[in-house]
Amino acid sequence: DAGVIQSPRHEVTEMGQEVTLRCKPISGHDYLFWYRQTMMRGLELLIYFNNNVPIDDSGMPEDRFSAKMPNASFSTLKIQPSEPRDSAVYFCASSSPVGTSGVGNEQFFGPGTRLTVL
Amino acid sequence: GESVGLHLPTLSVQEGDNSIINCAYSNSASDYFIWYKQESGKGPQFIIDIRSNMDKRQGQRVTVLLNKTVKHLSLQIAATQPGDSAVYFCARDKGTALIFGKGTTLSVSS
Repeated sequence: DAGVIQSPRHEVTEMGQEVTLRCKPISGHDYLFWYRQTMMRGLELLIYFNNNVPIDDSGMPEDRFSAKMPNASFSTLKIQPSEPRDSAVYFCASSSPVGTSGVGNEQFFGPGTRLTVL
Repeated sequence: GESVGLHLPTLSVQEGDNSIINCAYSNSASDYFIWYKQESGKGPQFIIDIRSNMDKRQGQRVTVLLNKTVKHLSLQIAATQPGDSAVYFCARDKGTALIFGKGTTLSVSS
């Protein structure tokens, strides 16, 4: 398996522009998570889906942020309009209900998208 | 409250030494804890996990210890290698989601 795939890996945009980040989870995983990582706030959960349905979006900072999961193999995180304070690394992660460690359902992370909003 | 913190933001060790990275948590209802390793420019990578009904769990060169009495979690890395240099995060469960600590940067010198 290729693991969690994210695109683009880097995105530089200007304030006010729309940004769309993409994620393909590991095949067979039914949970998908979006995180944001900054130096100041660390890793923060934004939203997660179970079987393509949003379960908890309490971490989404503002209405400018939206996420969708139209099918089991694809999810998007959109920021419209983008602002400089949105600059961060955005990670997508997926997990299965059983897990592989024998202990819990560990999450597998993608390589992240580094977003810079000028 | 809901927080997961690490005692030290940085740790420097010599190659071959054992490393111990500590983590404290505040929510006694947490049932599942997990350690991740993040190398520069990459996403967090799963290392090892443990449930609250366990005190210790061992993997390859790594051991996780859980002390529920003092709400303390530690990651021990045996015979630390330069490739172990990374940021290490502890996390606890919040239902299905995870709450992450700020991270400890481990630097291994030869």
